[in-house]
Amino acid sequence: EDKVVQSPLSLVVHEGDTVTLNCSYEVTNFRSLLWYKQEKKAPTFLFMLTSSGIEKKSGRLSSILDKKELFSILNITATQTGDSAVYLCAEPVYNQGGKLIFGQGTELSVKP
Amino acid sequence: SQTIHQWPATLVQPVGSPLSLECTVEGTSNPNLYWYRQAAGRGLQLLFYSVGIGQISSEVPQNLSASRPQDRQFILSSKKLLLSDSGFYLCAWSVAGFTDTQYFGPGTRLTVL
Repeated sequence: EDKVVQSPLSLVVHEGDTVTLNCSYEVTNFRSLLWYKQEKKAPTFLFMLTSSGIEKKSGRLSSILDKKELFSILNITATQTGDSAVYLCAEPVYNQGGKLIFGQGTELSVKP
Repeated sequence: SQTIHQWPATLVQPVGSPLSLECTVEGTSNPNLYWYRQAAGRGLQLLFYSVGIGQISSEVPQNLSASRPQDRQFILSSKKLLLSDSGFYLCAWSVAGFTDTQYFGPGTRLTVL
């Protein structure tokens, strides 16, 4: 059965710290891995990763995929209080209309 | 550009009452549409998805149902709500034929008392 597991489940850091969030997956017919940020309301799309070893970057956020070891990491450098959110990773399930399987999420809290 | 709307934003309903949540997408044609539920502020559970008008796939057997009466309209319904139906309901869409990235609506927070 396809599965996505995130760690840690929660994390508290101070502004300026660098954090690494982990996502491991077990899926048949891998297509991509997606990262979302969720503050209070709807998840917003961050990255889609399809190839191993190629870093995707957006400002202070970056993400990379390792298809051999079946995991991805999301890095946030120089964290700010606005980075406080739940970060979700997700996998599309092969041949099921784009169904996404989500991990439990990592709740990040950035203290001033 | 594409936008997705959901309403209502919040809803408080008694047990046993009916439910109708609506989702509409603008700026795209023939999207794939999804309903998710998020309980306790964490993992999203897929409830239904649709790849076209009148085509609904159900993921979790329960007292909810979904319908897609128009290309860009997706409705989540129940005839009789249960306490366990409380949660945050999210509608999402993706581009047909390239389905991986989904974009979420603002959500409806449902409390069943």
